[in-house]
Amino acid sequence: NAGVTQTPKFRILKIGQSMTLQCTQDMNHNYMYWYRQDPGMGLKLIYYSVGAGITDKGEVPNGYNVSRSTTEDFPLRLELAAPSQTSVYFCASSFPRGTNTEAFFGQGTRLTVV
Amino acid sequence: DAKTTQPPSMDCAEGRAANLPCNHSTISGNEYVYWYRQIHSQGPQYIIHGLKNNETNEMASLIITEDRKSSTLILPHATLRDTAVYYCIVRVAGTNSKLTFGKGITLSVRP
Repeated sequence: NAGVTQTPKFRILKIGQSMTLQCTQDMNHNYMYWYRQDPGMGLKLIYYSVGAGITDKGEVPNGYNVSRSTTEDFPLRLELAAPSQTSVYFCASSFPRGTNTEAFFGQGTRLTVV
Repeated sequence: DAKTTQPPSMDCAEGRAANLPCNHSTISGNEYVYWYRQIHSQGPQYIIHGLKNNETNEMASLIITEDRKSSTLILPHATLRDTAVYYCIVRVAGTNSKLTFGKGITLSVRP
């Protein structure tokens, strides 16, 4: 079972460059999320999606964009990288079944902007 | 979703029970308590959830007070691999409510 797969695992960007963090899940989950985690801090929600074609902002959406054209994929786009975006990025997915909304997380993308 | 309060850290000896507290005094009647953990540098992992009854699975037990204003996650026989940050989250189940993480509690299991 692949679960939630994120690519790349590591990336170094220069200020002003752009990149897309890829996230794909093979569990047919309708909900997907993007979080960032700064050193020593908890996870902060960037964007989330409740299904293909539907996205919404989380706590810290500035500087990011997302799209959800398929159920499986939820890419996160950084248009003009800034040092403040240095962080570990986690993608997650879930499929509410009754009371259980267990979320499955990828292994993260470690991004450094210099 | 209601807020939660957890102490920043605690430790316990290997083989002993680890009791991790969480306060959620503003919890609503339809909100569940969820616990996740994050082992260093990895993505968070679901542990358990409950509404008002105590719950147990292969990983842990969840004890929720009768007034539902607090709960305790119990790892019955902590091992070194249980060293992690544990997050207590309150949210409405089965909806599109966002999964919001606080700072969690850092559990250190000592040999």
